[in-house]
Amino acid sequence: NAGVTQTPKFQVLKTGQSMTLQCAQDMNHEYMSWYRQDPGMGLRLIHYSVGAGITDQGEVPNGYNVSRSTTEDFPLRLLSAAPSQTSVYFCASSPLAGAYNEQFFGPGTRLTVL
Amino acid sequence: AQSVSQHNHHVILSEAASLELGCNYSYGGTVNLFWYVQYPGQHLQLLLKYFSGDPLVKGIKGFEAEFIKSKFSFNLRKPSVQWSDTAEYFCAVNDRDSNYQLIWGAGTKLIIKP
Repeated sequence: NAGVTQTPKFQVLKTGQSMTLQCAQDMNHEYMSWYRQDPGMGLRLIHYSVGAGITDQGEVPNGYNVSRSTTEDFPLRLLSAAPSQTSVYFCASSPLAGAYNEQFFGPGTRLTVL
Repeated sequence: AQSVSQHNHHVILSEAASLELGCNYSYGGTVNLFWYVQYPGQHLQLLLKYFSGDPLVKGIKGFEAEFIKSKFSFNLRKPSVQWSDTAEYFCAVNDRDSNYQLIWGAGTKLIIKP
């Protein structure tokens, strides 16, 4: 199993550009999520999904869109990149949503917006 | 809303020293508690978790944590650290108020001097 994979690993964008961060998992996990990690702030939840066709907003959803058309894939779209979106983005998955489930993380995407 | 504090952002220890990393959460009630670790160049991974029962939980690589409900704390400990414990450590909490989404602390960067 590859686990959770993310592409690209690094990306530089100009303000106003759009792009999609890819996330895929091969563990048949129902739950997937996107976080951003900023210095001194830990991880903050952007969006999450409890199954194909179901998504919901996390703590910091503004400026981001997600969709979940398959169990495996959970792409994150930046609609119009802003410097405030410079961050490291992590995708995670878990067998099920809920209180007790360990999340498995991808390697992260380091995004810089100029 | 729930929040998590990790008071030490950077800790430097020598090999064989004892380790204790603090984690406090803000809101009482029934919580689930986690410690994750990110070794240099690797994915975030689960170190240990507490849901109920014995407040002293053991995790991988000799780590343990103690849940003290009266102090809203879940401190991570290791009796004797090794150079390979150099990593960033994150405490996380979920509860019904957060819809069982993880709320993360800011992380503690631990450096072990050989």
